[in-house]
Amino acid sequence: SQQGEEDPQALSIQEGENATMNCSYKTSINNLQWYRQNSGRGLVHLILIRSNEREKHSGRLRVTLDTSKKSSSLLITASRAADTASYFCATDALDTDKLIFGTGTRLQVFP
Amino acid sequence: EAQVTQNPRYLITVTGKKLTVTCSQNMNHEYMSWYRQDPGLGLRQIYYSMNVEVTDKGDVPEGYKVSRKEKRNFPLILESPSPNQTSLYFCASSFPGREQYFGPGTRLTVT
Repeated sequence: SQQGEEDPQALSIQEGENATMNCSYKTSINNLQWYRQNSGRGLVHLILIRSNEREKHSGRLRVTLDTSKKSSSLLITASRAADTASYFCATDALDTDKLIFGTGTRLQVFP
Repeated sequence: EAQVTQNPRYLITVTGKKLTVTCSQNMNHEYMSWYRQDPGLGLRQIYYSMNVEVTDKGDVPEGYKVSRKEKRNFPLILESPSPNQTSLYFCASSFPGREQYFGPGTRLTVT
């Protein structure tokens, strides 16, 4: 059962532009996490936002969470070619011990 | 260095030949998990373990077995691999409710 769905599936931008990815989920959560994956490699954790938080920052990353809409967004500001990767949201659902991933957004940043 | 290791990284095998993919972590994490990643489907959880001798099914457990006899190790066993188990496999570990640390992945091809 897919808990998180990212939008868009793919995004292409120029260096210096901002990239916004959205995630929607279905059930109540403890927290929502964003991960990055370079092609074929292991996922790397970016940021975790708890259900009682609305916004969180880490460097050029800004994550928002709207539990009433069951949605989150990841904003990468001033993007760089090195930000090219796939980005996944994952939800830690309230009544399970599972972390459920969405299908991801493929971000391409052109120099 | 804190890490999750998986072996082998690449494996080509034939239908029905039992195989084991090892996973080990050195961060004293209670929670460990196996995922498979297939194009267009994102990451799907196979099995997870909350602690030693405690394992539970994820979303796609059919055809797989796991064991958790020691805290640091969580091997994935395919008793009789089939071609539909050709995939990219990731092991991950974490403290409960926290960000997950992923291994580098094992690319399995079953012919």
